[in-house]
Amino acid sequence: GAGVSQSPSNKVTEKGKDVELRCDPISGHTALYWYRQSLGQGLEFLIYFQGNSAPDKSGLPSDRFSAERTGGSVSTLTIQRTQQEDSAVYLCASSPRGPREQFFGPGTRLTVL
Amino acid sequence: AQTVTQSQPEMSVQEAETVTLSCTYDTSESNYYLFWYKQPPSRQMILVIRQEAYKQQNATENRFSVNFQKAAKSFSLKISDSQLGDTAMYFCAFMKPGAGSYQLTFGKGTKLSVIP
Repeated sequence: GAGVSQSPSNKVTEKGKDVELRCDPISGHTALYWYRQSLGQGLEFLIYFQGNSAPDKSGLPSDRFSAERTGGSVSTLTIQRTQQEDSAVYLCASSPRGPREQFFGPGTRLTVL
Repeated sequence: AQTVTQSQPEMSVQEAETVTLSCTYDTSESNYYLFWYKQPPSRQMILVIRQEAYKQQNATENRFSVNFQKAAKSFSLKISDSQLGDTAMYFCAFMKPGAGSYQLTFGKGTKLSVIP
């Protein structure tokens, strides 16, 4: 079956612009995660969705970052007023409920000029 | 908070040889999960192997095996008969279950190059 897909693959934006990153999880996976991968910070957890429960937003670095998951499936990560330090690869992962293997998408490389 | 340390930023190994990647972690939890993920240049993170802390037996997946030392909080990955396709970044990751969020805490990674 299809894996986790993310779009766009690459995004170049200007400082101060808003961006939206999309994640399509594996069908049937109730858990969805966003991570950020940057040279300086490595891989960092951003946010977690599980079914219809309130998301765990503890990893979001600032209030410029937000995410939603519609209908328990597709998720969008929004970064407002982008800064150069937001440049990174944003990875999405999905899994069945519980401490299970997380399946990752190919990521979106964001470059803020 | 949990931390994961990979002390080898880069390693290389000859094709068909064996290599061991190191990982240590710090936690006060007794029940947790450990993972090794591989990230080739394509950026796609792929699970290599998984270990439950309550299991004493070391996990094995074909050419990949781990040496899990719970008391020492060590979780090394051994790759036998290295192949060119093993060239990738390898990340050690920790998961603490039961708190609602099963987020992964990653180490900084080890870049492995397999030399023909």
